[in-house]
Amino acid sequence: QQKVQQSPESLIVPEGGMASLNCTFSDRNSQYFWWYRQHSGEGPKALMSIFSNGDKKEGRFTAHLNKASLHVSLHIKDSQPSDSALYFCAVSMGNYAQGLTFGLGTRVSVFP
Amino acid sequence: DTTVKQNPRYKLARVGKPVNLICSQTMNHDTMYWYQKKPNQAPKLLLFYYDKILNREADTFEKFQSSRPNNSFCSLYIGSAGLEYSAMYLCASSRRTGGLTGQLYFGEGSKLTVL
Repeated sequence: QQKVQQSPESLIVPEGGMASLNCTFSDRNSQYFWWYRQHSGEGPKALMSIFSNGDKKEGRFTAHLNKASLHVSLHIKDSQPSDSALYFCAVSMGNYAQGLTFGLGTRVSVFP
Repeated sequence: DTTVKQNPRYKLARVGKPVNLICSQTMNHDTMYWYQKKPNQAPKLLLFYYDKILNREADTFEKFQSSRPNNSFCSLYIGSAGLEYSAMYLCASSRRTGGLTGQLYFGEGSKLTVL
C-alpha cells in the first residue's frame, strides 16, 4: 500500500525567504504528484502538479521530481505571509480507481 | 470562490445516531470523493463516485454509505455514529481525463463531533 511521508512537520520562514518541503513515496509505480495547500478554515486547494522527472516552475513555486529516489519537493521562493498554510503532497498511481494518497502535511508559517 | 459546497459545516451527533453529510458541485465533474481527515493524520479516501459507479475503500467498506442522486450532489451516510467517526469530512470533485485523476476541488469540509 502506498505510503507518503512529508518533512519537515512544520517550517518557520521569514518573509521573503525560501521554504523547502519534502515528500517521499513508497511505490515505484507512482505516476503523478500534486501539491495542495490548505489555509485555516478552508478546504485544500491544488497548487501544482508534476508528472515528469525534473523541475516545474509556476510563479514563485517550483516542484522537483525524482522518481528513482522516490522523492518530490516543493520550493517557495520569496515567501509571503499569505503562504502560511498546511501543504499536502498527494500521489497518484495513474490508476483512476485508486484516487490520490495524501501525506500528513507540512505546516508553513511565514513571519513578517 | 468555492464551487464545492458542503453541509452542514459543523455537526454534533450522539453515539449510535445516524449522520448524513451533503456535498454539491457546480462544475459538472464526473467524479466526487469523500475523504476523512483527523488531527495529525493524512486525509484518508473513504469512497468515490465515478458517474453513478460507487467505489469504496476496503477498510471502510462497511462503515460508510453514499448516494449520488444526480451529477451535482453526493451524500455520505453513517448509520450508527461511534466516537471514532469524529473527524473533518472533506468532499472533492474532479473530471476524469484519459483515465487519470484530474485536479481535485475540495469543499470547506464538514466537522463531525460524536459525543
